[in-house]
This record gives sequence, C-alpha cells and structure tokens, in this order.
Amino acid sequence: DAKTTQPTSMDCAEGRAANLPCNHSTISGNEYVYWYRQIHSQGPQYIIHGLKNNETNEMASLIITEDRKSSTLILPHATLRDTAVYYCIVRIPYSGGGADGLTFGKGTHLIIQP
Amino acid sequence: NAGVTQTPKFQVLKTGQSMTLQCAQDMNHEYMSWYRQDPGMGLRLIHYSVGAGITDQGEVPNGYNVSRSTTEDFPLRLLSAAPSQTSVYFCASRPRGGLSGYTFGSGTRLTVV
Repeated sequence: DAKTTQPTSMDCAEGRAANLPCNHSTISGNEYVYWYRQIHSQGPQYIIHGLKNNETNEMASLIITEDRKSSTLILPHATLRDTAVYYCIVRIPYSGGGADGLTFGKGTHLIIQP
Repeated sequence: NAGVTQTPKFQVLKTGQSMTLQCAQDMNHEYMSWYRQDPGMGLRLIHYSVGAGITDQGEVPNGYNVSRSTTEDFPLRLLSAAPSQTSVYFCASRPRGGLSGYTFGSGTRLTVV
C-alpha cells in the first residue's frame, strides 16, 4: 500500500468547512484513497473512499487531484462532534482472498473550536 | 444489527497469563481483522482472516494466535501475556465486495501487569 503524509494537527471553527489534506505521491493506478476517523477511545469509523473522481456522501466530500498524488477530505459544516483523528489510507481493495487489513499512519488530529 | 461486538471491554492480566479476546459480527462479513493501538499511535494489524478456516499474519503477530471456525467469530488469543501487550485492541470486519469500508468494534482495553 502507498505511503501517505498528513499534517499532525489542524484546527477549525465550528460551522466552517474543515479541509484535511493528504499526500500520496507514490499511489499506483489501482489503489483507492480511503478516509477513516477515530473519535477519542472509540473504534475507527469509515468515512468515504474514491479512485479518481470526486466523491460525496452524507458525511463528507473527497477531492482527488487529477494526478492522484494528493487528496482533500472536506467536512462541509464542522461540529464539535467532528473532533477526531482522521486517517488517510491508500490501498488496493482486495476482494478475492489474499492479503487484507489496513495500514494506519498517525493521522491528523482535527480539533473543532467552538 | 449489533455490528462488531468485542468482549470484554476492559481486562487486567498478570504477566504469563493467557486469555482470549472475543470478536463477533452479525453482518455476514467474510473479512475480519485484529489491530492493536498503543498510546499516541495509529492502529497496527495483528492477524486477519479472509473467510472461515483462513487466517494470516499481519504486521505484529508475535505473541498472538487466531482461528476462524465460523463466519461470525474471530477470537484473538494471548498465549502468555507480557507488559508489552498492554494496548487497546480493535476488531474489524468487511464484506467480500472489495471497495467496502471496514466496520470496527469498540475495542478491548488490556493492561498486563
């Protein structure tokens, strides 16, 4: 799986959009970008994933650059409950047996300020 | 659906004791995996399973055993607990569809004294 680089921490005001960057310059053509978050002491929670097109769901939007070497997770209207560690993970979505599991970095600690 | 259920939530062991951390999912997911998370660190993969009867090692398998006799259950066994195994343990599962995200349990906080 490709290595990712994320800022250690970020602040965002409540009600504003939170934009979390991730660099994955060694990403290969069949690797997807996944985002998870971990609220203090809880298990990680899947947020969104994408290959090369921008994606949006009820939780967030994912913007992937045209060269796929970086991406941005956008929380459109951040609330205090969005304070968490956000992990950007790049991986091949195995589905036919073989290796599985996720490789986590240290992620970005997003703090939403009231 | 209960999702991924881990028991116990908290456990204190003495060095050398053995125990089994339980993980069960009711979503008929084929893929299951175990992670440990040390303070200030990201999660590290211990073992994973791609179906009943099939398991393999992850990044940090030493000191842990797993088996997968049913689709629902994926227990993690500590054979002889050591203080270095003090950590929070998370179990996760996902369906066969390769693009799906993982569902994680709420974790077991283990202290070895």
